[in-house]
Amino acid sequence: DTAVSQTPKYLVTQMGNDKSIKCEQNLGHDTMYWYKQDSKKFLKIMFSYNNKELIINETVPNRFSPKSPDKAHLNLHINSLELGDSAVYFCASSHPSGNTIYFGEGSWLTVV
Amino acid sequence: GENVEQHPSTLSVQEGDSAVIKCTYSDSASNYFPWYKQELGKGPQLIIDIRSNVGEKKDQRIAVTLNKTAKHFSLHITETQPEDSAVYFCAGGDTGFQKLVFGTGTRLLVSP
Repeated sequence: DTAVSQTPKYLVTQMGNDKSIKCEQNLGHDTMYWYKQDSKKFLKIMFSYNNKELIINETVPNRFSPKSPDKAHLNLHINSLELGDSAVYFCASSHPSGNTIYFGEGSWLTVV
Repeated sequence: GENVEQHPSTLSVQEGDSAVIKCTYSDSASNYFPWYKQELGKGPQLIIDIRSNVGEKKDQRIAVTLNKTAKHFSLHITETQPEDSAVYFCAGGDTGFQKLVFGTGTRLLVSP
C-alpha cells in the first residue's frame, strides 16, 4: 500500500504554463507538507498544512499555491512556470504530535 | 531560525568499512534529529532518529550520537554494504514540530 502518493511522477512543460501536482496520504495523518529538492539535492520546506489549515509558508513565490480539500490531500498548483522552478517536489505527511515525516516518491518537474 | 550543516558532501568507503556522517545545528531549542536515506529516484526515508534527552541510539548496523552541548550529531554505519549507497540527510527541529531543517546531504558510495 502506498502511504504518500503523488502524481504525476514526471512533468515536462513550457515556460509560462500552469501545472498542478496532486498528493494523497492514506496514513491518517493530520499534517502534510510540500518540499522542494533542487539539482544540488538541497531539501527545503515550502508549505505545511495541519487539518487543512496553512501552518508554514516559507518564502515561496505567490505563483505557488497549495490547496488542501481535506486532510488526506494537499495539491500544489504552480502558475506561470519559470525555468528556475525545475526541481523535484516532494509531498510528505506526519502526525502533529509525532515526528516521523513520510515522503512521497517525488514529482520531477522540468520547465523548458 | 535553525541552520543545519552536514559533512562530508561525498563519502566513498569499501564494503565492510564504517562510515560516519556529521551534522551541526544552531538552534538550542531543537530537540529532534532524524536521519533520512534517499535512494536514486525515490523519496527520503527515515532510517533512525534521536531526541535530545538521549545521547546515543542504535539499530542494528546504524547508530546515531548526539552532543547537545556542542550542538552536533552523527550517523554511524558499520559493516557497510553496497546497498547502503545513497544520499543521507540529517535534519533538526523541535518535537512540536511542523518544520524540519535538513542538512545538505551526503552521497555515500560503498564499493564492493
